[in-house]
Amino acid sequence: DTEVTQTPKHLVMGMTNKKSLKCEQHMGHRAMYWYKQKAKKPPELMFVYSYEKLSINESVPSRFSPECPNSSLLNLHLHALQPEDSALYLCASSHWTGVSNEKLFFGSGTQLSVL
Amino acid sequence: SQQGEEDPQALSIQEGENATMNCSYKTSINNLQWYRQNSGRGLVHLILIRSNEREKHSGRLRVTLDTSKKSSSLLITASRAADTASYFCATGRSNDYKLSFGAGTTVTVRA
Repeated sequence: DTEVTQTPKHLVMGMTNKKSLKCEQHMGHRAMYWYKQKAKKPPELMFVYSYEKLSINESVPSRFSPECPNSSLLNLHLHALQPEDSALYLCASSHWTGVSNEKLFFGSGTQLSVL
Repeated sequence: SQQGEEDPQALSIQEGENATMNCSYKTSINNLQWYRQNSGRGLVHLILIRSNEREKHSGRLRVTLDTSKKSSSLLITASRAADTASYFCATGRSNDYKLSFGAGTTVTVRA
């Protein structure tokens, strides 16, 4: 199984809502990522978990809260978002060699619209 | 922050022609990777070239890396309509989980 599964595929939420994005992989990868991508722009790194611990937080606002319950699952909890947070949210995983990244496997993404 | 810059920003070619896009980066790297993204979808890994390699092939793809110029190129030969997508280079550094993406090249293959 070489898939990264993201749910939901589409999400519309109001600025006062709380929602969660979910990501799952069964490739035994110990590094998992959240990226945010605006239209016609490259993905921007938000968070990296390695061995279920938060390794990198790219100064992301606290209205985004990541969680890694186990080595296969990654969640992104959303609360009090702003319209400018509307974007494609991509989850990815990779094998970590101890020196550098190998290739990233991406999910299909969640297209988020904040009204 | 973005490490790589790509050119051209957009490329339109006829089916059967070759497509070449370039990526430049700023700091030393451990590897450089190329990804493809179809509209509104996730990214798909195409090829990884390590800093001690100069050229790599995978099917119709050819990637070169010149670490002295801090640049890489991706060549797609005999393009097909299915190659229409955005292509991103991404750089990985030693002892760093980050993979930094370039701005991307949008390729349109006309039938």
